[in-house]
Amino acid sequence: DARVTQTPRHKVTEMGQEVTMRCQPILGHNTVFWYRQTMMQGLELLAYFRNRAPLDDSGMPKDRFSAEMPDATLATLKIQPSEPRDSAVYFCASGAPGRPSGSPEQYFGPGTRLTVT
Amino acid sequence: AQKITQTQPGMFVQEKEAVTLDCTYDTSDPSYGLFWYKQPSSGEMIFLIYQGSYDQQNATEGRYSLNFQKARKSANLVISASQLGDSAMYFCAMREGGGKLIFGQGTELSVKP
Repeated sequence: DARVTQTPRHKVTEMGQEVTMRCQPILGHNTVFWYRQTMMQGLELLAYFRNRAPLDDSGMPKDRFSAEMPDATLATLKIQPSEPRDSAVYFCASGAPGRPSGSPEQYFGPGTRLTVT
Repeated sequence: AQKITQTQPGMFVQEKEAVTLDCTYDTSDPSYGLFWYKQPSSGEMIFLIYQGSYDQQNATEGRYSLNFQKARKSANLVISASQLGDSAMYFCAMREGGGKLIFGQGTELSVKP
């Protein structure tokens, strides 16, 4: 059963530290999305990639966040330096090729629960 | 402006009864997709059902059906024969051109035995 995997599942860190979250999309999926979920803001898109190229990162604070896809099997989201307000669950999702508005296939990973103290 | 609106922060339903979760959307793009996801207390996001803007028939997946009213811009989720395991947060989402999803604030469904 193909799944999106994310590591780590939980991360507790101190303010100012660098945090790197990793995602392995489903094999064959060519789009990768990073979402953040908080109680206050709900689910919001941070960035997404198609064929490893960044298409939209307008939801991401540029000064401290960065997202990359070093290869087709790995996507990373990095926060440096981290702040308490970054505490959230970060989801990665991957989608299959096809018409962007027509493809239903966007599957979520289990998320990384980040706590910044 | 909100693109996806879920007006019911919380809903209760008796086990074995049907329940409708509301979702309205706003877009000027003629080509779009509508999704429902379930998020149980474990935190995972589970894809439930999809409706394309050009689909003529309402989508159905087992006990889930999507009541798509295009003119009213609504895409309500209907869960038939509710089960205790249906207790969760439910999110409506819309995809416009480009692939990214925009989510509503969610509805927390509680199924009572």
